[in-house]
Amino acid sequence: RKEVEQDPGPFNVPEGATVAFNCTYSNSASQSFFWYRQDCRKEPKLLMSVYSSGNEDGRFTAQLNRASQYISLLIRDSKLSDSATYLCVVSGGSNYKLTFGKGTLLTVNP
Amino acid sequence: EPEVTQTPSHQVTQMGQEVILRCVPISNHLYFYWYRQILGQKVEFLVSFYNNEISEKSEIFDDQFSVERPDGSNFTLKIRSTKLEDSAMYFCASSGDPNSPLHFGNGTRLTVT
Repeated sequence: RKEVEQDPGPFNVPEGATVAFNCTYSNSASQSFFWYRQDCRKEPKLLMSVYSSGNEDGRFTAQLNRASQYISLLIRDSKLSDSATYLCVVSGGSNYKLTFGKGTLLTVNP
Repeated sequence: EPEVTQTPSHQVTQMGQEVILRCVPISNHLYFYWYRQILGQKVEFLVSFYNNEISEKSEIFDDQFSVERPDGSNFTLKIRSTKLEDSAMYFCASSGDPNSPLHFGNGTRLTVT
């Protein structure tokens, strides 16, 4: 299994749609989990941390299932500005290193 | 909001030349990182640095690479003899503790010709 694996995408959705991203990770010792977004040719920017109990930030909901080593991100009522690549990011056991998934490209269409 | 700054934004160099990429992490952060992203590929870990020494490095970070914190503010990545395949976007990042998310600089695009 790859260290961090994401849906390959791309996803094309209309404005207002709900879209879900899935991610699995291989290192059961991983402690920290994040979703980042990356616009074309820009740096990754933190979208949200992912907590064991699941967490929500406005239209964004993240879930973590440690038993299945699975992370998800749900975007509700998608906006044009949500168009970006979404990166699943997982710490290694040492926490000194974050490993990135390849990312899933989302395009929200008018 | 404090941010990580990187210079230059774009560096063009000839194969075999040395390059130094510079970063100023967020001032109260203690953990520093370099990542790279080859065009169209994923963000890859190069090295982490804490307490004036390398904490972890990837297999990409071979003897041609080195990092330094020459003073209290700068964090540099040196590539001693660049190869064509070193062409990529190089991102510096910092965090306040190892469990916190990383804050990334806006990157240096390195082009090796």
